[in-house]
Amino acid sequence: DAGVIQSPRHEVTEMGQEVTLRCKPISGHDYLFWYRQTMMRGLELLIYFNNNVPIDDSGMPEDRFSAKMPNASFSTLKIQPSEPRDSAVYFCASSWALEGAYNEQFFGPGTRLTVL
Amino acid sequence: GENVEQHPSTLSVQEGDSAVIKCTYSDSASNYFPWYKQELGKRPQLIIDIRSNVGEKKDQRIAVTLNKTAKHFSLHITETQPEDSAVYFCASKEGYSTLTFGKGTMLLVSP
Repeated sequence: DAGVIQSPRHEVTEMGQEVTLRCKPISGHDYLFWYRQTMMRGLELLIYFNNNVPIDDSGMPEDRFSAKMPNASFSTLKIQPSEPRDSAVYFCASSWALEGAYNEQFFGPGTRLTVL
Repeated sequence: GENVEQHPSTLSVQEGDSAVIKCTYSDSASNYFPWYKQELGKRPQLIIDIRSNVGEKKDQRIAVTLNKTAKHFSLHITETQPEDSAVYFCASKEGYSTLTFGKGTMLLVSP
């Protein structure tokens, strides 16, 4: 397995534009997580899915952020409209389980987003 | 919710020295404590974890200790090497909750 795949790896956009980040989890993993990483706030959980269903989106900063998981092998995180303060590295991670011996989260390479 | 404090934020050591990174957590029900290593520009990767039923776990040059009474856990790296230079994150969780991460420690190992 290639691991968690994210695209694009880098995104530079202008304020007000729509941004879509993509993630392909490891095959067979039932859980998918979206994180945002900044120097000031560290790694923050934005939302996670179980079997394609959003379970907890309390970390999504505001209505400009939305996430979907239309099937077990694909998820998107959308920001519309984007703002400079959204600039960060966005990681997707997946795991087999949330608890127990198989709860290790495997991270993707991240998408570095810059909003000008 | 859970709060995880991590110290120090940066740590510089000479090659061959030991390095210790400490984390405290707030939720006494937390029972799983992983450590992730993130090299510059790379993804975080799990390097070691510990569950609340043990006090210490070792894997070659790294070890993690857990003190449930004091609600703190530590990462120990012995005989540090330049390739240990990275940002290290601790995290904690309870049961079916999600991970709460510390802010990270940048470890610099000088040759």
